[in-house]
Amino acid sequence: GQQVMQIPQYQHVQEGEDFTTYCNSSTTLSNIQWYKQRPGGHPVFLIQLVKSGEVKKQKRLTFQFGEAKKNSSLHITATQTTDVGTYFCAESSYGGATNKLIFGTGTLLAVQP
Amino acid sequence: SQTIHQWPATLVQPVGSPLSLECTVEGTSNPNLYWYRQAAGRGLQLLFYSVGIGQISSEVPQNLSASRPQDRQFILSSKKLLLSDSGFYLCAWIYRAGWTEAFFGQGTRLTVV
Repeated sequence: GQQVMQIPQYQHVQEGEDFTTYCNSSTTLSNIQWYKQRPGGHPVFLIQLVKSGEVKKQKRLTFQFGEAKKNSSLHITATQTTDVGTYFCAESSYGGATNKLIFGTGTLLAVQP
Repeated sequence: SQTIHQWPATLVQPVGSPLSLECTVEGTSNPNLYWYRQAAGRGLQLLFYSVGIGQISSEVPQNLSASRPQDRQFILSSKKLLLSDSGFYLCAWIYRAGWTEAFFGQGTRLTVV
């Protein structure tokens, strides 16, 4: 079955340091989505990547999709305390009777001011 | 605009009691609907998804069931709760057509005692 692993499970950084989380799959991903879940909250969509080698940026966040479409990364430059939360990648498999959104294991980011 | 309502926000239930969590979506039609469970500090586990009224797909064998009596209503139920059913339950919806983002409800924090 589908398995999307994320590393690290937990990362503690000083405010201003960079942060990267990686998402890896044993199979080719049709697409990859990234979500952020604040402590006590619900996941909120950040971005979707579809093309091989795709790179997208949102202010201090940079998202990459691997050339083989088996991995993805989220990089945050100069973290701030507002970046605290759990970051999830997810694959949306759509087609026919299969319409599943499978989430990775998540990376919890703690930022010390 | 589209909104998703999930209730209750918190719930404490004794072992062996029944459960009914409700999720409704407004402002869209024919959504794909999903129930996820998140154990404390863990990832999002897909429990059920539905592509239409009366159509339910179960992802993992468990003590829970789901129903979709109306297009924009998704219900998660149990006849007899177990301690292991404790967790954070999230309802989500996605537009029917294609790979798009998921919108999550606020979640229900269930504690079985």
